[in-house]
Formats: sequence, structure tokens, C-alpha cells
Amino acid sequence: NAGVTQTPKFQVLKTGQSMTLQCAQDMNHEYMSWYRQDPGMGLRLIHYSVGAGITDQGEVPNGYNVSRSTTEDFPLRLLSAAPSQTSVYFCASTDRDRTYEQYFGPGTRLTVT
Amino acid sequence: QQQVKQSPQSLIVQKGGISIINCAYENTAFDYFPWYQQFPGKGPALLIAIRPDVSEKKEGRFTISFNKSAKQFSLHIMDSQPGDSATYFCAALVGSNYKLTFGKGTLLTVNP
Repeated sequence: NAGVTQTPKFQVLKTGQSMTLQCAQDMNHEYMSWYRQDPGMGLRLIHYSVGAGITDQGEVPNGYNVSRSTTEDFPLRLLSAAPSQTSVYFCASTDRDRTYEQYFGPGTRLTVT
Repeated sequence: QQQVKQSPQSLIVQKGGISIINCAYENTAFDYFPWYQQFPGKGPALLIAIRPDVSEKKEGRFTISFNKSAKQFSLHIMDSQPGDSATYFCAALVGSNYKLTFGKGTLLTVNP
């Protein structure tokens, strides 16, 4: 089991560029989520999905899109990168049928110049 | 509106001492309270969690104390070790929606 994997580990974008952060899990978890972590702010929920084909907004969704075509994958798209999106992004998944524990990926550090 | 307030922001403890981190919440619908541990360059990992029907849960050197009437919970790390140096996040969740709300984190440094 690889758990939750994220690519890339690091990324530098110019303002206005778009990109997709990849997230995959091999635990057959239904619930997946994306967080951003900024110094002194904790982790804030961007978007989440309760299953394939179902997504919803979290606390800070503006500037981000998600889709969930399969149970395994939950990509996060930045439509037009802004310096305010410089952050560390974490993907997580949860086994809804057993525990509430969220398993986090290793993160993607994004810098927007 | 910050639903989970965590304090202190940073904490320095000597090896062998007790580390205490506190959290307070506002939403009485929260029914699961986990603590996550994060080392630099890594994702958070679940350390210990409690549900509101118990007042204390202990796992090794880590204990959660929960006060439902005060809407507060805390993490105690006994016999703190340098390897415990990390950022700790409290969180809360309403079980029906699986959306975790995190505190802002506490940077713990345990000096040898």
C-alpha cells in the first residue's frame, strides 16, 4: 500500500499560469479532501469529495477546481495562479466505513511568483 | 469565525518534562476530536483521538483530556523527548460530514 501519493513535490509557477496537483490513494477510501497549509493558519479545507462524481466546496475554494472521476484520484486544478496561492497543499483520504482517521499525503510546495 | 482555537502557538519544554497544548471549540455538533502530529516536510499524521462520551484517553505517553461542559480539550505529553519536537494540531469533526476543522497549530520544541 502506497497510501496517499501527491505529485509534484515542488512547483514554481508564474502569475496567471494554470496547473494540476495530482493526488491518488490506493486504500479504496470514498472521502478525499484538499487542504492548504500556511504559516500560522493551520490547515484549511479547499474542496472535498464523498465519492466518485461528487465534490463540494470547503472553507477556501476560490481559484481552485476539483473533479472525481474515479475512487482513486482527486486532482486539484489552479485555474490562474496568484501569489496568494503560494502554500503547501495536502491531499487526504478517509475510510468512512471504519474510522474518521484522515490519511495525509506528503504535500506539494507551490510557489507563485 | 475560528471554530477551534489552539494555544500556545509555540512551546519549549525540557527533556523529561510535560508538554500541554490546549484547544477550545464552539460548535457543539462536533463529535470527534483528533490530534495530529506533523514533522517538517511531512504530512500530518493522526496521533490520538477522542469522542465526547469519555473524559480522558491515554496512549503511551500521550493523553487527551476532554471537558464537554467547557468545550475544551487538551493534549498532554508526558516525559517529553527531543523526538517529540514537531507541530501539533488539534481538530474537530462533525461525523456526518467528515470535514475536519483544524486549530492553527503549536510548534513544540523539546530541548535535550
